[in-house]
Amino acid sequence: KAGVTQTPRYLIKTRGQQVTLSCSPISGHRSVSWYQQTPGQGLQFLFEYFSETQRNKGNFPGRFSGRQFSNSRSEMNVSTLELGDSALYLCASSLAAGNTDTQYFGPGTRLTVL
Amino acid sequence: QKEVEQDPGPLSVPEGAIVSLNCTYSNSAFQYFMWYRQYSRKGPELLMYTYSSGNKEDGRFTAQVDKSSKYISLFIRDSQPSDSATYLCAMTGSVREYGNKLVFGAGTILRVKS
Repeated sequence: KAGVTQTPRYLIKTRGQQVTLSCSPISGHRSVSWYQQTPGQGLQFLFEYFSETQRNKGNFPGRFSGRQFSNSRSEMNVSTLELGDSALYLCASSLAAGNTDTQYFGPGTRLTVL
Repeated sequence: QKEVEQDPGPLSVPEGAIVSLNCTYSNSAFQYFMWYRQYSRKGPELLMYTYSSGNKEDGRFTAQVDKSSKYISLFIRDSQPSDSATYLCAMTGSVREYGNKLVFGAGTILRVKS
């Protein structure tokens, strides 16, 4: 069965622009979480969606937003990009909403902000 | 102080050695503990999942959790060059409070020399 897919894999933007990243979870999975990974801060939780509803949000500014569609695919958007937004953005999917469910990560989208 | 502390390494060992990786944490609400492995340019993959205190073994991998000391470990026996990767500890609390949110350590870079 296909794993979590993320598009695009690489992205280069300039400061002030906005960007949209996409995540397709494993078929049948209804929960999608997003993480930011940087060398300095490691993996940090952005937000989680389950059945099109945001269930949980990390400590990031409002420039970071997301949504989930009825087919469980999810997008995250970053507006007014800053240099510090350069990171690997990872998406993880799981069957349901309980933390006994294994979360499967995608390969990530590498965002570079110039 | 971070909720989860993990020595970033790098840790370099000869092939066949027993590897010990550790994390400490400060939040007593954490109940579920995981170890992920991340190869370069890939997303993290789940290695071990443990609920509360105790040991869990899976092949060459053993995970230990000591909630009284707020300390978790991952042991790798008979280490192989293919084990060279970054190892991330992760933990979370109740579904009601955390949902699917994971709190990660910084990750330890492991290099197994042949």
